[in-house]
Amino acid sequence: KNQVEQSPQSLIILEGKNCTLQCNYTVSPFSNLRWYKQDTGRGPVSLTIMTFSENTKSNGRYTATLDADTKQSSLHITASQLSDSASYICVVRKQTGANNLFFGTGTRLTVIP
Amino acid sequence: NAGVTQTPKFQVLKTGQSMTLQCAQDMNHNSMYWYRQDPGMGLRLIYYSASEGTTDKGEVPNGYNVSRLNKREFSLRLESAAPSQTSVYFCASSEGTSGSIWGEQYFGPGTRLTVT
Repeated sequence: KNQVEQSPQSLIILEGKNCTLQCNYTVSPFSNLRWYKQDTGRGPVSLTIMTFSENTKSNGRYTATLDADTKQSSLHITASQLSDSASYICVVRKQTGANNLFFGTGTRLTVIP
Repeated sequence: NAGVTQTPKFQVLKTGQSMTLQCAQDMNHNSMYWYRQDPGMGLRLIYYSASEGTTDKGEVPNGYNVSRLNKREFSLRLESAAPSQTSVYFCASSEGTSGSIWGEQYFGPGTRLTVT
């Protein structure tokens, strides 16, 4: 069964600290994996995309990693800011099939001053 | 560019009432999608339109209908609303070039629907 599991469900950190969010998937055959950021009351916005051959990709203070062998991805946030408070959603795309996007339930991050 | 716009932002319906959620995009995207988002669950695909003139069912199509009015607009209709359809509805679009209709999706701000 194609699944995407994210952990933790929620996380509270102090401003300026780092954190890492996890995404494990069983989707196969794998095409790519995206991390989206969803601010409260808004739609998700893509942060980064990881393809099979990519191990690490950075977007400012956000760094995503992918281990296609173990089917794990992480999103590392450095020097957190209050504006990082949001839900982070992992979305995995399958190579074949009609409905081939699989969404995680997200990690709710709260950054406190 | 406004991106993806949705109307209304909020709606309260009584059980059995009907309504249409409107979505428009100004990015000249080929593909458009309707999702619902419920607490503790990931986004679930209701219907999608890979290109103008085509629509297909997603994971949870029951109780909904869609219309791809033109390349810009994709509407979602609830014919007889039920409390189980209380949710936040998101419209999205993507460039939808050949072989990658599931590329980066651009989401609208959402419609919060409550059915009593």
